[in-house]
Amino acid sequence: DIQMTQSPSSLSASVGDRVTIACRASQGIRDDLGWYQQKPGKAPKRLIFAASSLQSGVPSRFSGRGSGTEFTLTISSLQPEDFATYYCLQHNSFPWTFGQGTKVEFK
Amino acid sequence: QVQLVESGGGVVQPGRSLRLSCAASGFTFSTYAMHWIRQAPGKGLEWVAIISNDGINKYSADSVKGRFAISRDNSKNTLYLQMNSLSAEDTAVYYCARSACSAGSCYSPDFWGQGTLVTVSS
Repeated sequence: DIQMTQSPSSLSASVGDRVTIACRASQGIRDDLGWYQQKPGKAPKRLIFAASSLQSGVPSRFSGRGSGTEFTLTISSLQPEDFATYYCLQHNSFPWTFGQGTKVEFK
Repeated sequence: QVQLVESGGGVVQPGRSLRLSCAASGFTFSTYAMHWIRQAPGKGLEWVAIISNDGINKYSADSVKGRFAISRDNSKNTLYLQMNSLSAEDTAVYYCARSACSAGSCYSPDFWGQGTLVTVSS
């Protein structure tokens, strides 16, 4: 199985900060990676697909980069509605696997 | 608009069975692969199973293999998860989600239902 190691597990930031979350795959997954945002009590929402493609309707302050084993999600200027938990998901091979999540909290 | 509505959750005793349903609307159900993904209380997301658009190909996580079965009825626009031999470790919110696929590969799920809670407890 492919392991997805996400870091950090949590971070504290302020409105306007630039935030970067990393995801490392235990083996190469090309660009078969999505990023999700989840708020308490809600279903996850896809932000990025194919590692770097912005989901329709998602603000352009979100961006994804990477290929192979190293991936990042960046929020260029954190907004109040961005405080949430973020997950990566690899869909290169079965079983599909999620990172353990990164909780973005208010500093 | 796209809608995925899960149902069938509830409290069940260890060792018993439960069947979840996911009713789809607002898109052509038969052209999408479908997933079940779960989240234990206070924990992260765990992919459970996928079924191809035509229902022929299925894959599941090792943690549920042999106990859970994913299926679909394209004439009813409905996805199912038959869960047998349930244990406390299966307690979670269960989400259904859809994936577009092309040339034998599927994208990450782009739309999720709101989930149904399954609690396994005596």
